[in-house]
Amino acid sequence: GQQVMQIPQYQHVQEGEDFTTYCNSSTTLSNIQWYKQRPGGHPVFLIQLVKSGEVKKQKRLTFQFGEAKKNSSLHITATQTTDVGTYVCGGGSNYKLTFGKGTLLTVNP
Amino acid sequence: GAVVSQHPSWVICKSGTSVKIECRSLDFQATTMFWYRQFPKQSLMLMATSNEGSKATYEQGVEKDKFLINHASLTLSTLTVTSAHPEDSSFYICSARRNDRGRGYTFGSGTRLTVV
Repeated sequence: GQQVMQIPQYQHVQEGEDFTTYCNSSTTLSNIQWYKQRPGGHPVFLIQLVKSGEVKKQKRLTFQFGEAKKNSSLHITATQTTDVGTYVCGGGSNYKLTFGKGTLLTVNP
Repeated sequence: GAVVSQHPSWVICKSGTSVKIECRSLDFQATTMFWYRQFPKQSLMLMATSNEGSKATYEQGVEKDKFLINHASLTLSTLTVTSAHPEDSSFYICSARRNDRGRGYTFGSGTRLTVV
């Protein structure tokens, strides 16, 4: 079945440093979605990418969908303590998502 | 908009008993809802797809007789863990999606089940 791998599993940065997490699928995706999950909480939708090579920005967050639609990345510029959480990607069809394990980001103030 | 309410947020039950978890879409209709399970430090694992007015579709390895899903209305899906055992202890979470393109899935707040 479809597998979605995410790296790194953990990332600890100093406040102000950049952060990137990568998502790789074993199969071509119709879309990829990114979520943020705080400890003990539920995933909160951030963004969806659909087109090959698509790049979207939300303030300090930049999301990219690979040309082959099998990988994606999330980059945070100048991290802040409020960025702490697990960033999870989900890929698949419009009606079914396969999630990666997520990357836990911790930020040292 | 697009709010999903899940209840209860946590529950402790004895082995052998059943637990019902509710998932409601508050401001939109959801013909399809999804039930996930998440173990500590693991990814969200899709258990089943709940379809309004018809049988749920279960993922491979998920026992349909143990995890009963009912989607009787366009705004409510329930998951019943029957004859719960300690290994069923986990974080159960539902999600639904409005028909708007690009909105993604809205998740409930999750239910932490502990079976003792």
